[in-house]
Amino acid sequence: SQTIHQWPATLVQPVGSPLSLECTVEGTSNPNLYWYRQAAGRGLQLLFYSVGIGQISSEVPQNLSASRPQDRQFILSSKKLLLSDSGFYLCAWSGEGGSNQPQHFGDGTRLSIL
Amino acid sequence: GDSVTQMEGPVTLSEEAFLTINCTYTATGYPSLFWYVQYPGEGLQLLLKATKADDKGSNKGFEATYRKETTSFHLEKGSVQVSDSAVYFCALRNNAGKSTFGDGTTLTVKP
Repeated sequence: SQTIHQWPATLVQPVGSPLSLECTVEGTSNPNLYWYRQAAGRGLQLLFYSVGIGQISSEVPQNLSASRPQDRQFILSSKKLLLSDSGFYLCAWSGEGGSNQPQHFGDGTRLSIL
Repeated sequence: GDSVTQMEGPVTLSEEAFLTINCTYTATGYPSLFWYVQYPGEGLQLLLKATKADDKGSNKGFEATYRKETTSFHLEKGSVQVSDSAVYFCALRNNAGKSTFGDGTTLTVKP
């Protein structure tokens, strides 16, 4: 069966420090991969999605970046964190097959910027 | 662009009460519709889905029917339990594969 792993679960970082969040998927090939941010009490904001290795689409201009060095690995990074980067970050994957495929989410990373 | 509007929360019910969470959408073409549930401190889990008009998705006593004429996908459950307390998200996925989520509705069920 397919599983998605996201780490770390929680992270506290000072303003201006770098960031690296990692997400891996097991049990499937060539998944579509996504990074979302969820502000407290709000819905999901799509940050990046990827349909293949090295293919990244950015939905919102910001100081974050994403990379997909391997088929089932998706990394969210920043060189210098801002206070506004605090939030709950969710990685997700979906299979090929069009609009009827749901997304499957990791357990999220709670990022607090001090 | 696509949009999903769901009933604002929070919603507080007593155990065994009837639940409805309204969801309406705007999209071109024929999107698939989904309900996800998020328990505290966790990611979203798929609850149910419907891929075409008049389809009914169901799972764990929850149901939602894809109503194209009213562009709605309301979530219902006949008798809620304390364990149903969570945040519920309505979402669509369009023909291009792009997903749009509602803002979520927080449900609290009291014993």
